[in-house]
Amino acid sequence: GEDVEQSLFLSVREGDSSVINCTYTDSSSTYLYWYKQEPGAGLQLLTYIFSNMDMKQDQRLTVLLNKKDKHLSLRIADTQTGDSAIYFCAESIRGGGNKLTFGTGTQLKVEL
Amino acid sequence: ETGVTQSPTHLIKTRGQQVTLRCSSQSGHNTVSWYQQALGQGPQFIFQYYREEENGRGNFPPRFSGLQFPNYSSELNVNALELDDSALYLCASSLPTGGGAFNEQFFGPGTRLTVL
Repeated sequence: GEDVEQSLFLSVREGDSSVINCTYTDSSSTYLYWYKQEPGAGLQLLTYIFSNMDMKQDQRLTVLLNKKDKHLSLRIADTQTGDSAIYFCAESIRGGGNKLTFGTGTQLKVEL
Repeated sequence: ETGVTQSPTHLIKTRGQQVTLRCSSQSGHNTVSWYQQALGQGPQFIFQYYREEENGRGNFPPRFSGLQFPNYSSELNVNALELDDSALYLCASSLPTGGGAFNEQFFGPGTRLTVL
């Protein structure tokens, strides 16, 4: 079955790196995603990784995928106050069309 | 290029009433998905429409129904509203997936439904 879990809260100082973690259970995931949600806004796709990759880097964002442990992480380098938001990991599975299964979200708070 | 839009922004209903939420997909996108996001939770997949036909459904009762129109805009209808239906309802549009290729879903800002 599909189940995606995240820790609820993360607090970091501006300029530090943030690491947000996610575990999933479905081994037939095709893509894994990180979305950002700011108050009163919809979901913004930050980055994604194909399930046969281990790592993807996109500017300040680094995604690591450990398929054996079904563990996904998002590292944000040089975290800024504008990065404060809720971050969701999500997966799509083979044969599931465009259906996304989301985690519960991690609230990132960036302090000065 | 116009993004995904949803209406209304906010809505208050009472238990037992019916509600219709609307979504206009991004230009050129013929697939629309609807998600329910309860407070403090991640979005949950309700159903998806492709070329006016339902194309996948999540674990939601039949009182959640939908439509997609020839211009690919979509409606979500909820009958016999319950207090637990209070949530942010998000729609997302995309091109259809095929062959396992990546296909981004673009989300609208959502409709906040409150059931009293």
